[in-house]
Amino acid sequence: DQQVKQNSPSLSVQEGRISILNCDYTNSMFDYFLWYKKYPAEGPTFLISISSIKDKNEDGRFTVFLNKSAKHLSLHIVPSQPGDSAVYFCAASAVGTGGFKTIFGAGTRLFVKA
Amino acid sequence: EAQVTQNPRYLITVTGKKLTVTCSQNMNHEYMSWYRQDPGLGLRQIYYSMNVEVTDKGDVPEGYKVSRKEKRNFPLILESPSPNQTSLYFCASRGQGPPYEQYFGPGTRLTVT
Repeated sequence: DQQVKQNSPSLSVQEGRISILNCDYTNSMFDYFLWYKKYPAEGPTFLISISSIKDKNEDGRFTVFLNKSAKHLSLHIVPSQPGDSAVYFCAASAVGTGGFKTIFGAGTRLFVKA
Repeated sequence: EAQVTQNPRYLITVTGKKLTVTCSQNMNHEYMSWYRQDPGLGLRQIYYSMNVEVTDKGDVPEGYKVSRKEKRNFPLILESPSPNQTSLYFCASRGQGPPYEQYFGPGTRLTVT
């Protein structure tokens, strides 16, 4: 049973347009949600996070939206750039476990076309 | 430079031959974790450690062992590797408190034949 789901294995977007990556979760215990970006032959790198008490967090071109009632979060990248082409993982942590248990989604591969 | 290092980066071995993948971090982080990445399954947590001598199982601990004798090191041990442990492995570390962002190593690609 996957507690964190990324239902789109891939997404293709034109340079300059908005990329929207989606993530759904099932466990109400999760308190923090994070997005990681992964290039081939490298480890994932942290991109942006959001606490469950907020509904939006913005960092430059990246914005994460959280809809707790729908158990859904999304990552918006605008404008998209070719260097954003990577695999994006959604992850969730539960404060009650000290954040030690972290569940990742399967990832979405983003292609940004020049 | 703050980093997490793993060795080896690539390893091909045979069923049953014990192996160890090392992981080291230079950020004085209390928390370390091991993950495996498989197609369609994302990153799954194998074991994690909250501090020296404190470890606990993640979601897929079967067939793996870990130890945390020093704060900076967190080796992953496969006592008797099997082909279903062929995967890409990542070590990660983080400090205390939210938002719990982790710093990942470059990965170790393991093939068990």
